Amino acid sequence: SQKIEQNSEALNIQEGKTATLTCNYTNYSPAYLQWYRQDPGRGPVFLLLIRENEKEKRKERLKVTFDTTLKQSLFHITASQPADSATYLCALAGSSNTGKLIFGQGTTLQVKP
Amino acid sequence: NAGVMQNPRHLVRRRGQEARLRCSPMKGHSHVYWYRQLPEEGLKFMVYLQKENIIDESGMPKERFSAEFPKEGPSILRIQQVVRGDSAAYFCASSPPAEETQYFGPGTRLLVL
Repeated sequence: SQKIEQNSEALNIQEGKTATLTCNYTNYSPAYLQWYRQDPGRGPVFLLLIRENEKEKRKERLKVTFDTTLKQSLFHITASQPADSATYLCALAGSSNTGKLIFGQGTTLQVKP
Repeated sequence: NAGVMQNPRHLVRRRGQEARLRCSPMKGHSHVYWYRQLPEEGLKFMVYLQKENIIDESGMPKERFSAEFPKEGPSILRIQQVVRGDSAAYFCASSPPAEETQYFGPGTRLLVL
């Protein structure tokens, strides 16, 4: 069955360091992959989308890579700040028109000052 | 442009009652999605609707759950004869036509006593 996995353990890093979060998937060939941020008690907020034919995408301090051979995406936050502390969700979609997103469980990031 | 609005934000029901969750998409968005997030679990897709049409309801339980997105007014997720296992956060997301990014509302937290 289709499966998407993110590190269930919380990631604790020091302010200013680069945080790297992993998203692995099996039995799936997504047309694109998205990363969302979710704060406690709130809805997810879209961060970045990367398509199957793209290797890397950047937005300010954020970088996403997508390796369809390894079936893995890496999400990087450079120069991390305490305000980056949140849960980060990886979501996969099928063809462009399905609308259905399959979410990982999320990885909680804690950035310490 | 107001974001996706959901109401109520919190809903308490006794077993056997009905729960009605409302979602007003962002202006110009004709696609609505509903997701459920159980405690300590990831977001699970339930249903994808466009105005007056259900496009994909593969994640919706076959019984007691229904969804609609009428020509006028908000999208409604209806849960009949609620049970304790229905307690969860229900998120609505919307998107404009031909855009993959989904914009989430703040969620409705349903508690079944």
